[in-house]
Amino acid sequence: GAVVSQHPSRVICKSGTSVKIECRSLDFQATTMFWYRQFPKQSLMLMATSNEGSKATYEQGVEKDKFLINHASLTLSTLTVTSAHPEDSSFYICSARSGEGLGETQYFGPGTRLLVL
Amino acid sequence: GQNIDQPTEMTATEGAIVQINCTYQTSGFNGLFWYQQHAGEAPTFLSYNVLDGLEEKGRFSSFLSRSKGYSYLLLKELQMKDSASYLCAFMDSNYQLIWGAGTKLIIKP
Repeated sequence: GAVVSQHPSRVICKSGTSVKIECRSLDFQATTMFWYRQFPKQSLMLMATSNEGSKATYEQGVEKDKFLINHASLTLSTLTVTSAHPEDSSFYICSARSGEGLGETQYFGPGTRLLVL
Repeated sequence: GQNIDQPTEMTATEGAIVQINCTYQTSGFNGLFWYQQHAGEAPTFLSYNVLDGLEEKGRFSSFLSRSKGYSYLLLKELQMKDSASYLCAFMDSNYQLIWGAGTKLIIKP
């Protein structure tokens, strides 16, 4: 299957700082990337969908000014958590797919565990 | 509207067979996916069904009935490493994945 990487895998930061998470598709061009958040023992929650070269589409309840998404190229999307607070501590996972056709599989990155102190 | 439902938790014995069911409702359907997620890790792709019937991949099989809005994931010869959450998701008419909450599978020796 296709490979998606995320960096960093784990980050601890102080409250009020900003954290950038990178998501890369290593062996395919990702026309669409997705950002998810998952709290312990809860299901995946889609935060936003981004297409290369256009603005991200945020899910209801997700603040676009707090969670900045940039899909700069067909292989890279970044999520910046601005002015992070302890309640932002979570497991952030990106996924990518190469097209929008029938059966296009989403491949997930390994996730980034964020802890805000 | 759209919804998708699967059991919260299931328990099975090592070496046995377990079937995890998933039901869904949607007006637009472009297939159903199953993913496996181990604790603390991201989901990994298991299977995709778009036509009715059974797809077999080694110890794992996935079944789909579009008329019934029903799918199941069948795991045979269970191993301890199969302890994980299993997520079903259907692809809607906009090619977006709509996720179930996941079924936590506990394997006992």
